[in-house]
Amino acid sequence: QKEVEQNSGPLSVPEGAIASLNCTYSDRGSQSFFWYRQYSGKSPELIMSIYSNGDKEDGRFTAQLNKASQYVSLLIRDSQPSDSATYLCAVKSDSNYQLIWGAGTKLIIKP
Amino acid sequence: SQTIHQWPATLVQPVGSPLSLECTVEGTSNPNLYWYRQAAGRGLQLLFYSVGIGQISSEVPQNLSASRPQDRQFILSSKKLLLSDSGFYLCAWSVLGRGRLGSEAFFGQGTRLTVV
Repeated sequence: QKEVEQNSGPLSVPEGAIASLNCTYSDRGSQSFFWYRQYSGKSPELIMSIYSNGDKEDGRFTAQLNKASQYVSLLIRDSQPSDSATYLCAVKSDSNYQLIWGAGTKLIIKP
Repeated sequence: SQTIHQWPATLVQPVGSPLSLECTVEGTSNPNLYWYRQAAGRGLQLLFYSVGIGQISSEVPQNLSASRPQDRQFILSSKKLLLSDSGFYLCAWSVLGRGRLGSEAFFGQGTRLTVV
């Protein structure tokens, strides 16, 4: 059974601090990794994708991938109240058409 | 650019009534299409996916069915709704293929279904 694990939270971070979200996966054949943000009552929206080991930065967001340890993380710098949402990790292996989803981490940014 | 339309946004249906949710994609050809359900406070549960017209794979045996009558149209149906069918239904598309990087999924606005 291929799995993606996330801490459900909530993770509470003060405004302006760095929020760190983590995700582990079980399938070593995984090749593509995604972070989605989902506001309450809304559909998920893609914020980051990463395919190679190391860091990938996009504005205030940095995705980190470590395939040897089978984890992927998302850092949000200078956290804003508008970053408060549930963050979903999704992983795709090279053997099928599906994304495997974590249950999400609820992030709360306190002003 | 690609867009995905899903409707209706909200729906309240009595137990035992039928269901039809529709999703269409614009701006791409031969997308892979997905129906997900998300219970309150939970992750995404894949219900069906389709890699082409008339090709439907079911992930979870249940009271629902899906059809893909056209390349960019995906329909979720039920003949008789159950209370347990309540949830947030999401249609998504991607252009992924086996062994290919990328292949992120893009979501419609979702349908909030309440069965009463």
